[in-house]
Amino acid sequence: KAGVTQTPRYLIKTRGQQVTLSCSPISGHRSVSWYQQTPGQGLQFLFEYFSETQRNKGNFPGRFSGRQFSNSRSEMNVSTLELGDSALYLCASSYSGSSYNEQFFGPGTRLTVL
Amino acid sequence: DAKTTQPNSMESNEEEPVHLPCNHSTISGTDYIHWYRQLPSQGPEYVIHGLTSNVNNRMASLAIAEDRKSSTLILHRATLRDAAVYYCILRDVDNFNKFYFGSGTKLNVKP
Repeated sequence: KAGVTQTPRYLIKTRGQQVTLSCSPISGHRSVSWYQQTPGQGLQFLFEYFSETQRNKGNFPGRFSGRQFSNSRSEMNVSTLELGDSALYLCASSYSGSSYNEQFFGPGTRLTVL
Repeated sequence: DAKTTQPNSMESNEEEPVHLPCNHSTISGTDYIHWYRQLPSQGPEYVIHGLTSNVNNRMASLAIAEDRKSSTLILHRATLRDAAVYYCILRDVDNFNKFYFGSGTKLNVKP
């Protein structure tokens, strides 16, 4: 079974631009979550989608948004990039997102904002 | 959301058992205890999880205190490949995938 894939793996943008990151979950998984990882803040939850609906959201500004498609693939968008948005963005999928389901993480997208 | 407390770092010798502690004194009756680890330059990977009873799998064992206010992840024989940051996480039945990772324990394994 193929794992979670994220594209692109690396990205360099400048302040003010916007960016879209993509995540393909494991086949059959319907829940996709996004996380931001920085040296200072560690791993922080962004949001979670299940069956094309956002079920949960972390404490991030509205510049961070996402969506999920009918095939469970998900995209995350960050508008008006700031230097502080430089981070590793991780996507994780699970079968149903229930608290007893394990999550499978992708390798992440490394975003650098200049 | 319930929080967890873990030591910042621990050290172990290769081939020896490692006990990684986690305190979660505010745990509720429906919180599952999950452990993940993150190897350098990789995304986190699932290790083990449990609710009330001790659990074993091919990677590790999870010992849960009777009052559930603490748990211990046990690696039976540490290898160099086990060097990683280990996260203890509580997952609320009503909060789906809203993980709070905390700062984790950085495990260093000495040859």
